[in-house]
Amino acid sequence: SQQGEEDPQALSIQEGENATMNCSYKTSINNLQWYRQNSGRGLVHLILIRSNEREKHSGRLRVTLDTSKKSSSLLITASRAADTASYFCATDAKGAQKLVFGQGTRLTINP
Amino acid sequence: DVKVTQSSRYLVKRTGEKVFLECVQDMDHENMFWYRQDPGLGLRLIYFSYDVKMKEKGDIPEGYSVSREKKERFSLILESASTNQTSMYLCASISPGQGRTEAFFGQGTRLTVV
Repeated sequence: SQQGEEDPQALSIQEGENATMNCSYKTSINNLQWYRQNSGRGLVHLILIRSNEREKHSGRLRVTLDTSKKSSSLLITASRAADTASYFCATDAKGAQKLVFGQGTRLTINP
Repeated sequence: DVKVTQSSRYLVKRTGEKVFLECVQDMDHENMFWYRQDPGLGLRLIYFSYDVKMKEKGDIPEGYSVSREKKERFSLILESASTNQTSMYLCASISPGQGRTEAFFGQGTRLTVV
């Protein structure tokens, strides 16, 4: 069963706008990660936030984590056409040795 | 750079064939995973392994088996391919022992069963 659930499933915005994607999960976690996938390719790791962190930044990416609500958000600021991709959250559940992925958000940036 | 290499980018196999998908990683990672990805369903975990000769079922192991004889290589086997196994297959590895749990993925194998 999927641990992470992304919302929305698809998002289309204009270049330069900010894009926000959300992820909810079910069990206690060690950390939560976000990945990007260009069409037909493997996933690439973007950012990891640990369960004791609330916010993390990396370039134009900002991730928040609310463990009380079991949710996370990924914000991409000043979007570019090259940001067009699918974005997935993944959780590393406590006591497990595996990563469980959500269904992903398909992001389209219109020039 | 960590490299995870899948043996084929595209494969076409016939129904009933035994199919081997190979994955090799070069960073001494302990854990390796096989996922399949289908539209609208995201990544679903088929099998994973946390050590040589060790394997654990994921969420959808039926119709698949795996082999991990060496630390760097994790093989996915479709015992008798069926059309509902047409999918994108993704291999990944992580290294909890090195304190790193971000996954490194191969480029994916798009398998078509006809």
